[in-house]
Amino acid sequence: QVQLMESGGGVVQPGTSLTLSCAASGFTFSRFAIHWVRQAPGKGLEWVATISYDGTNKYFADSVKGRFSASRDNSNDKVFLQMNTLGAEDTAVYYCAREGRASAADYLDYWGQGTLVTVSS
Amino acid sequence: DIQMAQSPSSLSASVGERVTITCRASESVSSYLNWYQQKPGKAPKLLIYGATFLQSGVPSRFSGSRAGTDFSLTITSLQPEDFATYYCQQTYSKPISFGQGTRLDIK
Repeated sequence: QVQLMESGGGVVQPGTSLTLSCAASGFTFSRFAIHWVRQAPGKGLEWVATISYDGTNKYFADSVKGRFSASRDNSNDKVFLQMNTLGAEDTAVYYCAREGRASAADYLDYWGQGTLVTVSS
Repeated sequence: DIQMAQSPSSLSASVGERVTITCRASESVSSYLNWYQQKPGKAPKLLIYGATFLQSGVPSRFSGSRAGTDFSLTITSLQPEDFATYYCQQTYSKPISFGQGTRLDIK
């Protein structure tokens, strides 16, 4: 079955960096784009980034552009979110999700369980 | 950037009732509109994609509709497990955006 599992979250100080990983299994990983979505405590969902199936196209929310980067290792079925210059506003549960596609539809059909990032001094 | 205005922000209803949640896009998103359900402490779950298509395994009491830039999620005959928060999402253009969510709780 399709599974996604995030790791790498934790408590970090403002201004520091952290890298999240998303390990996939149960599907042909190299055929699917992967998204990162975050949710601050008690708040709604915020799209963060998308990396295309082959890693050549990457998109970022304005709130993280220039600070976050994304990469993937299709040999090991993993996606990474490198987060730099973290601030309190980045405190959230971070989810990775697979992009499904159909005619005139893109959607996030499988999600990981999330990993919590807390930025605090 | 496309804004998604979701309403209501909260809703109280009883088991067996029919409820509708709406989402209005600030510009055309064609049918690139999805609906998710999220329960506390859990990841979101895809319910409806492409505005009207029911994701595999989702009960048929959930349905989606579109009228231009207005989208609706309807749940007929609410069940206890349906009390959760619901989000719309547009994937027509980057940046992808979500509605602010609708919390559905038991009356």
